[in-house]
Amino acid sequence: AIQLTQSPSSLSASVRDRVTITCRASQGISSALAWYQQKPGKAPKLLIYDASRLDSGVPSRFSGSGSGTEFTLTISSLQPEDFATYYCQQFNSYPLTFGGGTKVEIK
Amino acid sequence: EVQLVDSGGGLVQPGGSLRLSCAASGFTFSSYEMNWVRQAPGKGLEWVSYISSSGSTIYYADSVKGRFTISRDNAKNSLYLQMNSLRAEDTAVYYCAGQLFDWFDPWGQGALVTVSS
Repeated sequence: AIQLTQSPSSLSASVRDRVTITCRASQGISSALAWYQQKPGKAPKLLIYDASRLDSGVPSRFSGSGSGTEFTLTISSLQPEDFATYYCQQFNSYPLTFGGGTKVEIK
Repeated sequence: EVQLVDSGGGLVQPGGSLRLSCAASGFTFSSYEMNWVRQAPGKGLEWVSYISSSGSTIYYADSVKGRFTISRDNAKNSLYLQMNSLRAEDTAVYYCAGQLFDWFDPWGQGALVTVSS
């Protein structure tokens, strides 16, 4: 199974900070990667698919990049509603796998 | 409105069985591949099972293979997960999730399954 390693596992940041989360795959997965945001008690919400394509309605401060084995999710200017946990997921092969998550907390 | 509604969760004893359902509305369910994803309390997301739009292709995570069965009824716009031989480590919120291409959207609201004596 392809392992996805997210870093950091948690971070503290302030409103308007630039935040970058990394997701590394144990083998190449081309651009078959999605990013989700999850708030407590809620289902995950799709942010980015195909590594860099923004889902409809997602604010442009979110962006994704990368291909192969290294991917990043960037929030250009953190807003109060962005404090949540973020997960990457690969679609290259089954079993589908998720990264361990990155919790973004208020500094 | 595009919506998935998960139901059927509850408290079950180790070794018991439970059947989860996921009702779809607001989109063409029969065109979507479907998945179950679970999240143990305080933990991350774990993919559980996949079924193709026609039901002809099915995959399972090793952790549930041989114990869980995924199925769908396109006439009823519904997805199911039959869970047998349940263990304490199966305790989690279970989400159904739709898949058109290489992403999961929409998601159900989740159904809590607690395996405990």
